[in-house]
Amino acid sequence: DAGITQSPRHKVTETGTPVTLRCHQTENHRYMYWYRQDPGHGLRLIHYSYGVKDTDKGEVSDGYSVSRSKTEDFLLTLESATSSQTSVYFCAISESGDTLGSYEQYFGPGTRLTVT
Amino acid sequence: AQTVTQSQPEMSVQEAETVTLSCTYDTSESNYYLFWYKQPPSRQMILVIRQEAYKQQNATENRFSVNFQKAAKSFSLKISDSQLGDTAMYFCAFTGGGADGLTFGKGTHLIIQP
Repeated sequence: DAGITQSPRHKVTETGTPVTLRCHQTENHRYMYWYRQDPGHGLRLIHYSYGVKDTDKGEVSDGYSVSRSKTEDFLLTLESATSSQTSVYFCAISESGDTLGSYEQYFGPGTRLTVT
Repeated sequence: AQTVTQSQPEMSVQEAETVTLSCTYDTSESNYYLFWYKQPPSRQMILVIRQEAYKQQNATENRFSVNFQKAAKSFSLKISDSQLGDTAMYFCAFTGGGADGLTFGKGTHLIIQP
């Protein structure tokens, strides 16, 4: 299994509070991603990073920000949590396909976030 | 933008049978990569099989194989000799490569009956 951990694994928070989720990898992979999973939607990309301090928006980025100050850590912040952000959040990592050829992504165990 | 469609929300088969999960996609790119992921009740996302669009040969991993039809933009997953442990959600996913994220279908819930 790829060395990817997420913390916390479960969190309940109140509407309007800030929340930060952490993804940590030990694989030294270049690319890191945050997805959310909701019933009926599969997984959708929130933000991604293609290097330290290099990030970009995904399909559902509104209300989220990210930071990557070290190769191994990718943080997802909900500035002011809303009930619509209740979801399961997955982090994923990938290495360049230039040498590996396939751009496959490996996923962390997920964080279940409930906003009340 | 790419889209991925899985038209079977749920399927149920008997143990040891063969089952095929459907996936179609839409893209204007000429080179891309396709994947099937499995998500058991533990919630962990597990890579099952990958296919590079530039390869004509269909990928195979033990009991799992794909039927990749590039012109039809179809990427189905065949599971042979199905086992109880194959019970899970299965997601089809697409990427154009580089730093691009994955675009997922909505998933197929596969149930293997004893």
